[in-house]
Amino acid sequence: QKEVEQNSGPLSVPEGAIASLNCTYSDRGSQSFFWYRQYSGKSPELIMFIYSNGDKEDGRFTAQLNKASQYVSLLIRDSQPSDSATYLCAVTVSGTYKYIFGTGTRLKVLA
Amino acid sequence: EAQVTQNPRYLITVTGKKLTVTCSQNMNHEYMSWYRQDPGLGLRQIYYSMNVEVTDKGDVPEGYKVSRKEKRNFPLILESPSPNQTSLYFCASSPNPGGSQYFGPGTRLTVL
Repeated sequence: QKEVEQNSGPLSVPEGAIASLNCTYSDRGSQSFFWYRQYSGKSPELIMFIYSNGDKEDGRFTAQLNKASQYVSLLIRDSQPSDSATYLCAVTVSGTYKYIFGTGTRLKVLA
Repeated sequence: EAQVTQNPRYLITVTGKKLTVTCSQNMNHEYMSWYRQDPGLGLRQIYYSMNVEVTDKGDVPEGYKVSRKEKRNFPLILESPSPNQTSLYFCASSPNPGGSQYFGPGTRLTVL
């Protein structure tokens, strides 16, 4: 069974700090990696996707992918209280058209 | 506005009474999928569709059916709902398999 693992948190950071969220996956053949943000009672919202090893930056968000070590991370710079949410990591399953999600990390940004 | 819509948003039903949750997208996406979200278990994929008339099982397909007769619609059918299908259900679509998915607002289902 393919798996995606995330620390459930909560991860608490002060406003203005960098939040670092991590995700490991078991399928060495996974090709596509995604980060979603989910506010309580709402649907997941896409933040970033990354396909290649290395870093990808979009505004305050940076996704980092290391396929050799099978982890993907999300950095949020200048964290704001509005960033407080659950962050879901998702990967595609090799040889299929399926996606697997982690159970999410709850982030709390303290004002 | 580009969006994925689901109906109903909330549903309370009884064991064994067939129900359908509709999902529609207006983005001409090829790929559509259904998930259920349960506390502690995260989002789990039920079924997905790569295109019209092409569907396949996700990780938790038991007790569910789907069909994809038109590109924009992907209904989820529970022919004989049971209490263990009480959950929050999300429909999602993507321009292509393996791409970024966009989620509908969710349907909260309670089976008594």
